[in-house]
Amino acid sequence: QSVLTQPPSVSGAPGQRVTISCTGSSSNIGAGYDVHWYQQLPGTAPKLLIYGNSNRPSGVPDRFSGSKSGTSASLAITGLQAEDEADYYCQSYDSSLSGLEVFGGGTKLTVL
Amino acid sequence: QITLKESGPTLVKPTQTLTLTCTFSGFSLSTSGVGVGWIRQPPGKALEWLALIYWNDDKRYSPSLKSRLTITKDTSKNQVVLTMTNMDPVDTATYYCAHSPPTVTTNWFDPWGQGTLVTVSS
Repeated sequence: QSVLTQPPSVSGAPGQRVTISCTGSSSNIGAGYDVHWYQQLPGTAPKLLIYGNSNRPSGVPDRFSGSKSGTSASLAITGLQAEDEADYYCQSYDSSLSGLEVFGGGTKLTVL
Repeated sequence: QITLKESGPTLVKPTQTLTLTCTFSGFSLSTSGVGVGWIRQPPGKALEWLALIYWNDDKRYSPSLKSRLTITKDTSKNQVVLTMTNMDPVDTATYYCAHSPPTVTTNWFDPWGQGTLVTVSS
């Protein structure tokens, strides 16, 4: 059971907007620690998508955006494309004994 | 361009010790703030952070695995080594190493190596 909770799956049609939530607690996201997001395409290593809650690395399309509020964070994908079908993971820091660097359980995005 | 590559055995027996090497290029582990982390992913399951070593040899471990893990670095060889003792079939996973850039907040990992699948079976 992950310290950060994500929905197991989300789906959307091409062109639509989807959001993926990442819910934590007062010892991680709620404590002010930043949230980072990764995209894992099938059979490949994770790739950084968003760092520091809302910053996009060079080369990541602006269709991807991140936000954080309270004990939760969200990843939004607009203009959904078939190539966005992948697993998405959030990551943060936890100050309790659950772990230091912690990942969410992952969300499978299906493009209908 | 930063690249990392994991190497080590693909098959280990239960109770054995696993030794994995991460060989990297494009950055130096003597640069202030830089780190290298290890993350694993059992087949079909989520990512799990294991350990992180910093440029100044500060080391952090997952509390649930701390007693079994050791992370070291060889700056001259651009390598980071992770050892995990007393391997069990539940430790079967793809093991990734990843670069952690200097940050004033929390760590993130970018880029990642391609990963290496380790199977624990007798």
